[in-house]
Amino acid sequence: DTAVSQTPKYLVTQMGNDKSIKCEQNLGHDTMYWYKQDSKKFLKIMFSYNNKELIINETVPNRFSPKSPDKAHLNLHINSLELGDSAVYFCASSQLAGGGAGELFFGEGSRLTVL
Amino acid sequence: QQQVKQSPQSLIVQKGGISIINCAYENTAFDYFPWYQQFPGKGPALLIAIRPDVSEKKEGRFTISFNKSAKQFSLHIMDSQPGDSATYFCAASPWGSQGNLIFGKGTKLSVKP
Repeated sequence: DTAVSQTPKYLVTQMGNDKSIKCEQNLGHDTMYWYKQDSKKFLKIMFSYNNKELIINETVPNRFSPKSPDKAHLNLHINSLELGDSAVYFCASSQLAGGGAGELFFGEGSRLTVL
Repeated sequence: QQQVKQSPQSLIVQKGGISIINCAYENTAFDYFPWYQQFPGKGPALLIAIRPDVSEKKEGRFTISFNKSAKQFSLHIMDSQPGDSATYFCAASPWGSQGNLIFGKGTKLSVKP
């Protein structure tokens, strides 16, 4: 039973299209995240949601919009895709503890290729 | 000041040897330092983490050494095994926001049989 699951695992699309990646966690965690891993494997946080409220929004283009219908789901919608959006997108979750978030549990990633 | 610098970029070690990966940070607000392990096609997974109130933490063959004054920390993998071959990321964050991790650029470790 996968703890953090993302769909789709692979996504190939043309420039200018709009696409979504879905994420679900069954760990009962309070906080969910989107991280981007580029072609050089550099990992960078994009968004964080705590109980359906956005608490981190790094300098990400507003073409990227996270949506959290409930605390178990955090979806990522991307408008007007660009070549530079090609990357692996990881969803993660954690449980707030001791005043801060604990261990991050990552999904297996969604590889987005923009042609 | 938000960066975490990690070295080396890649590392080849013989089976049974010691693997050492180093990281350095500048932001003195960082006080949570985890290491994540990532296998190809998988998401990163927490390996071991340390806070600055201790200088060393050991879990099995994995040890974090922490030098607060130098703002450096390192991962030592003793008796390295081929199954340890993966990419290792150091990271840092303030304790109040451990989810907002600043990651190093990763070290690809290959352990040769």
